[in-house]
Amino acid sequence: AQSVTQLDSHVSVSEGTPVLLRCNYSSSYSPSLFWYVQHPNKGLQLLLKYTSAATLVKGINGFEAEFKKSETSFHLTKPSAHMSDAAEYFCVVPDTGNQFYFGTGTSLTVIP
Amino acid sequence: DAGITQSPRHKVTETGTPVTLRCHQTENHRYMYWYRQDPGHGLRLIHYSYGVKDTDKGEVSDGYSVSRSKTEDFLLTLESATSSQTSVYFCAIRAPDTQYFGPGTRLTVL
Repeated sequence: AQSVTQLDSHVSVSEGTPVLLRCNYSSSYSPSLFWYVQHPNKGLQLLLKYTSAATLVKGINGFEAEFKKSETSFHLTKPSAHMSDAAEYFCVVPDTGNQFYFGTGTSLTVIP
Repeated sequence: DAGITQSPRHKVTETGTPVTLRCHQTENHRYMYWYRQDPGHGLRLIHYSYGVKDTDKGEVSDGYSVSRSKTEDFLLTLESATSSQTSVYFCAIRAPDTQYFGPGTRLTVL
């Protein structure tokens, strides 16, 4: 069965410093993986996705994530945080059928 | 923009009343999903559909039913709303291996 664990429920960074949001997955095969962002009172927006073409995936707004099979991780990073990055972030893994499994989310606070 | 709308966007209702939420898509996607979002739980799948009249249960389906009589519409019904169903509800489509979400419906059950 597939599952994801987001290791931090809250992350605070200062504006201009790097962002690291951690996600570990459990899967019986090499899966697709997704990161979504949700700004306050908004819907979920696709940030990036991994589909086995390349282990380093670039997304929107300067975010990227690296798929590491040996560590079963798909951590999200950004070199320099901006105030507009303050949001909830979700790591998602699909199963071999029709369902998608969400992590419990990481709330990112950016301190001016 | 995946052309997904949800209605209503906000609803307040009383315990024991029936409630129907609508998800509408404009691009003829086969798969549609209903999730609820609650603090500390992320998004949890309620039901999904893989075609007209084809639906299946998700992780938290108790107290909910769905119907899909047309490709473009996926309805979620709470037959008798309870306070534990106060939540934000999101609809999603799958195209082809990625989910795209609607704007959400905030439901409050008093």
